[in-house]
Amino acid sequence: GAGVSQSPSNKVTEKGKDVELRCDPISGHTALYWYRQSLGQGLEFLIYFQGNSAPDKSGLPSDRFSAERTGGSVSTLTIQRTQQEDSAVYLCASSSTTGETQYFGPGTRLLVL
Amino acid sequence: GDSVTQMEGPVTLSEEAFLTINCTYTATGYPSLFWYVQYPGEGLQLLLKATKADDKGSNKGFEATYRKETTSFHLEKGSVQVSDSAVYFCALSDYQGAQKLVFGQGTRLTINP
Repeated sequence: GAGVSQSPSNKVTEKGKDVELRCDPISGHTALYWYRQSLGQGLEFLIYFQGNSAPDKSGLPSDRFSAERTGGSVSTLTIQRTQQEDSAVYLCASSSTTGETQYFGPGTRLLVL
Repeated sequence: GDSVTQMEGPVTLSEEAFLTINCTYTATGYPSLFWYVQYPGEGLQLLLKATKADDKGSNKGFEATYRKETTSFHLEKGSVQVSDSAVYFCALSDYQGAQKLVFGQGTRLTINP
């Protein structure tokens, strides 16, 4: 079956602009995670959604970052007023429920000029 | 907080050599431990996992044993192939809450024919 998909695969933006990154989890997976992979910080957790529960936002680096998950499926990560340090690969993962194996998407490579 | 420390790379070996990539962790509670692999141009894939002390995870000839006494989860393979060239990430997840993954910094492995 289809895996986790993310779009766009690459995004180049100018400093100060807003960007939206999309994640389509595996159908039926209730848990969804966003991670960031950058040269300086490695792979780090950003935010977690489980069903209709309030998300765990403890990994978001600043209030410029937000995410939502509509209808318990697709998720959008929004970065407002982008900065050069936001340049990274943003990874989405889903699992059938919390605690089960996380399956990763191919990522969105973001470059902020 | 929880953390994972991996052997620094890059690691270069000849085909059929023995591989060890060291991984140690710091965590409260009883984490699950994972090795993820990222092949060139591809997304993160789960290689193997262990959920409790003394468990051994194995896949594709790779093995790792959950050692609680030494807080380690070293990755081993008896005879590597060129196709094993990739970046390997050790990770843990707690058994509570979001069970998000905490990753090591990754080890780039190159196998020469």
